[in-house]
Amino acid sequence: GQQVMQIPQYQHVQEGEDFTTYCNSSTTLSNIQWYKQRPGGHPVFLIQLVKSGEVKKQKRLTFQFGEAKKNSSLHITATQTTDVGTYFCAGGFNKFYFGSGTKLNVKP
Amino acid sequence: DAGITQSPRYKITETGRQVTLMCHQTWSHSYMFWYRQDLGHGLRLIYYSAAADITDKGEVPDGYVVSRSKTENFPLTLESATRSQTSVYFCASTLTGNNQPQHFGDGTRLSIL
Repeated sequence: GQQVMQIPQYQHVQEGEDFTTYCNSSTTLSNIQWYKQRPGGHPVFLIQLVKSGEVKKQKRLTFQFGEAKKNSSLHITATQTTDVGTYFCAGGFNKFYFGSGTKLNVKP
Repeated sequence: DAGITQSPRYKITETGRQVTLMCHQTWSHSYMFWYRQDLGHGLRLIYYSAAADITDKGEVPDGYVVSRSKTENFPLTLESATRSQTSVYFCASTLTGNNQPQHFGDGTRLSIL
């Protein structure tokens, strides 16, 4: 079945460093969504990308959707301790699949 | 997201027992989903429902049963619990499907001894 792969699994950064997580699919996605899950919490929707090559920004977060609509990335500039959590991408066509997530730890 | 509630928050049971996890949403969303979350696997879809009385299998449906007699409720039943079903279970809903954000409940942490 369709799978959405996400890397890296873990990332440890010093506060102020940048962070990027990547999401890849073997098939074309109709759209891609990004979620953040704080430790002990539930996933919370961040953003949705729909168009080929789309780039969206939310303050220090930049989201990209690949030209072929098979990959996406989330980049955080100058991480803060409040960025700690697991970031998930989710995509599909008829059914939606979540990536395995990237757990971000930020050292103050 | 106060509009979607799961119960219980924590549950411990024994292998072979039947257990039902409840999910209730107040938004009148058409779609509802059940996921399980295990370390290293992210969120895996168990079952989903597009409307009342319409359900379909996800990635990992074996050992689970769902029903949706009312739009607002989507219970998940483990008919004969096994240790491999120890997990955190999340319910989610969207207004019209995969082109809408999913709103998650707080989850149920289920341990099967």
